[in-house]
Amino acid sequence: GAVVSQHPSRVICKSGTSVKIECRSLDFQATTMFWYRQFPKQSLMLMATSNEGSKATYEQGVEKDKFLINHASLTLSTLTVTSAHPEDSSFYICSARGRTAYEQYFGPGTRLTVT
Amino acid sequence: AQSVTQPDIHITVSEGASLELRCNYSYGATPYLFWYVQSPGQGLQLLLKYFSGDTLVQGIKGFEAEFKRSQSSFNLRKPSVHWSDAAEYFCAVGGRSGGGADGLTFGKGTHLIIQP
Repeated sequence: GAVVSQHPSRVICKSGTSVKIECRSLDFQATTMFWYRQFPKQSLMLMATSNEGSKATYEQGVEKDKFLINHASLTLSTLTVTSAHPEDSSFYICSARGRTAYEQYFGPGTRLTVT
Repeated sequence: AQSVTQPDIHITVSEGASLELRCNYSYGATPYLFWYVQSPGQGLQLLLKYFSGDTLVQGIKGFEAEFKRSQSSFNLRKPSVHWSDAAEYFCAVGGRSGGGADGLTFGKGTHLIIQP
């Protein structure tokens, strides 16, 4: 099956700094990538959808200036958490699909802790 | 707006017993439906999916699910659970746009506990 990787798997940063998380499709062209956030013991919430070469579409309530998404190639999307605060601490999971695919493939997630 | 309800937050089942996890969805058209399993601190593993066709779908690890349009349900079943099935289970629904699948809406999850 299709494989999606994320890097880093864990990151700890200080409040006020920015953190970049990478999501890569390893063996297929990901025309669309999705970013989700999961707080401890809660469900996953869709943050944004990005199509290669286009601006991301953010879900209601997600600050686009805080969570910068770049999908510059068919195999890479990045999520940058700017000026991170402790409340941004969460598990961030990306997924990716091909152009007309029904199914999306999930990465293993990135645990962000802001101190 | 689409939504997913998993009415059971926790379920405890004895090892070897049968299992059914409930999932109800709200969606304006024919949905894509998924069940995922997540172990603590881990990512998601796809158990099974429904896109169209046969309403009884078979998945990995002996799981199956049945899509019932009249009840807006997609319940997950397993005839005999193993201790390794203890995990968090998520039902998800998605639609279609631009020729492919949309981002998913997840239920709140059901925490499965297996008693020896």
